Formats: sequence, structure tokens, C-alpha cells
Amino acid sequence: NAGVTQTPKFQVLKTGQSMTLQCAQDMNHNSMYWYRQDPGMGLRLIYYSASEGTTDKGEVPNGYNVSRLNKREFSLRLESAAPSQTSVYFCASSEASVLYGYTFGSGTRLTVV
Amino acid sequence: KQEVTQIPAALSVPEGENLVLNCSFTDSAIYNLQWFRQDPGKGLTSLLLIQSSQREQTSGRLNASLDKSSGRSTLYIAASQPGDSATYLCAVAPNTDKLIFGTGTRLQVFP
Repeated sequence: NAGVTQTPKFQVLKTGQSMTLQCAQDMNHNSMYWYRQDPGMGLRLIYYSASEGTTDKGEVPNGYNVSRLNKREFSLRLESAAPSQTSVYFCASSEASVLYGYTFGSGTRLTVV
Repeated sequence: KQEVTQIPAALSVPEGENLVLNCSFTDSAIYNLQWFRQDPGKGLTSLLLIQSSQREQTSGRLNASLDKSSGRSTLYIAASQPGDSATYLCAVAPNTDKLIFGTGTRLQVFP
């Protein structure tokens, strides 16, 4: 099925550990996004990539890095995980900017202990 | 700073009722407004997208309206069904790069 695929679905990390969240889309979309969802706060944009080869910071980029590996893949890296990064992470893609609507992945539930 | 508020936070209705979910935003300078549905433990599914020049969009039993001047949008669900139970999120695009989300309305439709 066409869409946005995120891996892993669940992850538990110890404080200070690093990991990379993977995201791939097969819709030939140009724009890709990483959001985090926390209770009572809605979804907040971490980083986005308007096109292959470009990345920009969103509202809450501190503690994260991203890589737009190619048009299909956009990864999110936590270099030194902190308990404040416990959240559900969603990747999304769009044909070209928010004007065309989003397709979301099913999310990665991350717990940092 | 753009803020998006959704009221009520939770709603429980019997099957068959028509219902309205509300979304308000503080800055009328938006490109579009989108409504999403989120099922427990799942990602978001796009329901309706209203461009800033439009007043409403319809899809099946769903109708969304947009009043930019007052900073409001409503999502109308006709003849609600248990399968409509989910969290409904509204989001506005202040520019072409991102969406600002509300915290959602959790809807339960009981038989």
C-alpha cells in the first residue's frame, strides 16, 4: 500500500543513548516532515525538508538532527536521548508544501528512561 | 504567535446524532485549514482541506466550514456512527512550510 512507513513502531532508550527513527514514502512527494505529539500539546514540528537536499528547523529542533537521504527517505536522529524526548513521533509527507495536504505515518512511540 | 484551540476536548453522543466540532485560531493570515482524524495508537488521516479562499468543503457525511475573519472553523458530522469514534484534530497553515495543530476533540459515539 502506498504511504508513509516509519520504523521502529516502539522503542525504549536509556538516557544518553542515541538512535535514528526512519521514515520512507513511496508517493514521490517532495516535502517531508517530523512532528512530535505530547499529551495536551498537540503536534509540534521538529524539522522539515521542503525538497531533496534541503532541511530546516521547525518549532522544537533542539536535541534532534535530520537527514534527507534521498527523495523517499527522511530520518530523525536523537544523539543523546533525554526523558523530555519521550513522545510519539510522526513522519509526514506532502506533494509540495502544506498546500496539498499531508499523509502521515503510523508513528513511533519512544520512551526514554 | 498562532494558536489553535479546539472545544470541546471530549464529546460523547448516541449514534445517529448530528454534531459539530469547533476550532478557533488567533491569526487570520493562513494558507489553509485542515481537519484530521486520529484513531488510538495510529497516525493521522486527512479528512478535509479548506484553502483560505474557500468557505467550506464536504466529503460524505462531513462538512467543514471556514470563517477566516472570525478565526473559526467547524466540522459537522451528520448521522454519527460508532465508527466515527476517534480524535479529531484541526490544523492551520500559517505559511507553506508547516501546520499548527490544536489539541483535538476526542469523540465517542455509542450505539
